[in-house]
Amino acid sequence: DGGITQSPKYLFRKEGQNVTLSCEQNLNHDAMYWYRQDPGQGLRLIYYSQIVNDFQKGDIAEGYSVSREKKESFPLTVTSAQKNPTAFYLCASSPGTSGETQYFGPGTRLLVL
Amino acid sequence: GNSVTQMEGPVTLSEEAFLTINCTYTATGYPSLFWYVQYPGEGLQLLLKATKADDKGSNKGFEATYRKETTSFHLEKGSVQVSDSAVYFCALRISSNTGKLIFGQGTTLQVKP
Repeated sequence: DGGITQSPKYLFRKEGQNVTLSCEQNLNHDAMYWYRQDPGQGLRLIYYSQIVNDFQKGDIAEGYSVSREKKESFPLTVTSAQKNPTAFYLCASSPGTSGETQYFGPGTRLLVL
Repeated sequence: GNSVTQMEGPVTLSEEAFLTINCTYTATGYPSLFWYVQYPGEGLQLLLKATKADDKGSNKGFEATYRKETTSFHLEKGSVQVSDSAVYFCALRISSNTGKLIFGQGTTLQVKP
């Protein structure tokens, strides 16, 4: 089955710790995205990548980092510089960026201990 | 700037009632418009979309018409079911090479038997 997988489903972070959220897609999509969802709010774009080895900051990139070494993978690292990391993180992909629909993964909930 | 405004929730309806969830937008250029649905603990699923004025998107009994004159994209369904209980997000995408989606804050729908 084609789709987007995110792992883990729940992730706990200690103070000062970096954590990495996984996102993998087997849809052969060029573009991938990371969004953050807070309670009662819409999604906000963290980073996006239109092609392998290239990515751009979204609206709330501070405290986060990404890499795109492979077409199917777009991991997100939440660094210790992100002071309010507790949120639901959603990864999405689309065939390209000029009009195609974005498809979302099931999400990872990050909690701070 | 570009933005999406949805009606405040939660919306509580009885089964078989008529549903309207209002969505208005502000955008430069000619956006594409989307409705996504999020079931508890899951990622977002595309419900329907419209890419130009007067287009009607429809899926699973839900409909929305792209109204440029009123900058609206209201979601409607003639007869809701308990299984429609979810959070609904209206979103827009400006024609550009980023594919970035701008989301409303989401509207929670609760359908009671």
